[in-house]
Amino acid sequence: GDSVTQMEGPVTLSEEAFLTINCTYTATGYPSLFWYVQYPGEGLQLLLKATKADDKGSNKGFEATYRKETTSFHLEKGSVQVSDSAVYFCALTSLSGTYKYIFGTGTRLKVLA
Amino acid sequence: ETGVTQSPTHLIKTRGQQVTLRCSSQSGHNTVSWYQQALGQGPQFIFQYYREEENGRGNFPPRFSGLQFPNYSSELNVNALELDDSALYLCASSSAEGSTDTQYFGPGTRLTVL
Repeated sequence: GDSVTQMEGPVTLSEEAFLTINCTYTATGYPSLFWYVQYPGEGLQLLLKATKADDKGSNKGFEATYRKETTSFHLEKGSVQVSDSAVYFCALTSLSGTYKYIFGTGTRLKVLA
Repeated sequence: ETGVTQSPTHLIKTRGQQVTLRCSSQSGHNTVSWYQQALGQGPQFIFQYYREEENGRGNFPPRFSGLQFPNYSSELNVNALELDDSALYLCASSSAEGSTDTQYFGPGTRLTVL
């Protein structure tokens, strides 16, 4: 079945460091891909999305490119801030059966001042 | 535009009890999906409602049931609560069924089963 694999955390970085969070997927067809962010005690907020191969999603300095050949959607940011500390979830829309999201297990990011 | 809202925020129940969680979808959205997020895990799909009908279900037992109302708000009911039901329950709304439209999540209801 469809699945999403994320790099395990926690990831700890100093402020202004470069961030990469790896995400790979297995899916039937060509799903849309998403990154969601969850701040402590809150629900999920959409960070960015890409709906077809080679699309680049971007928002608030974060970017991710839909790579069909490597089935990947890695999240990057050039310079992280303390306020970026949160849990990041990679997700895809499952096209088999009911339209639903399949999430990865999440990667916790901690940014130190 | 009002976002997705959920109630209550927190809930504590004992094993064997029943619980009802509520969700109001974002304005203009006709599809509601429910997810269970255990501590330290990603959300798991429970089921989806489209125009008051269940439109698909994840790997959850029948004691998890739901409703969608004509105004597209929704309820999640869980009977015979078990300790493993302790989790954050997330509701998400979207504007179309069977498409790749983005789902917008509410803040969640934290359920603790003792």
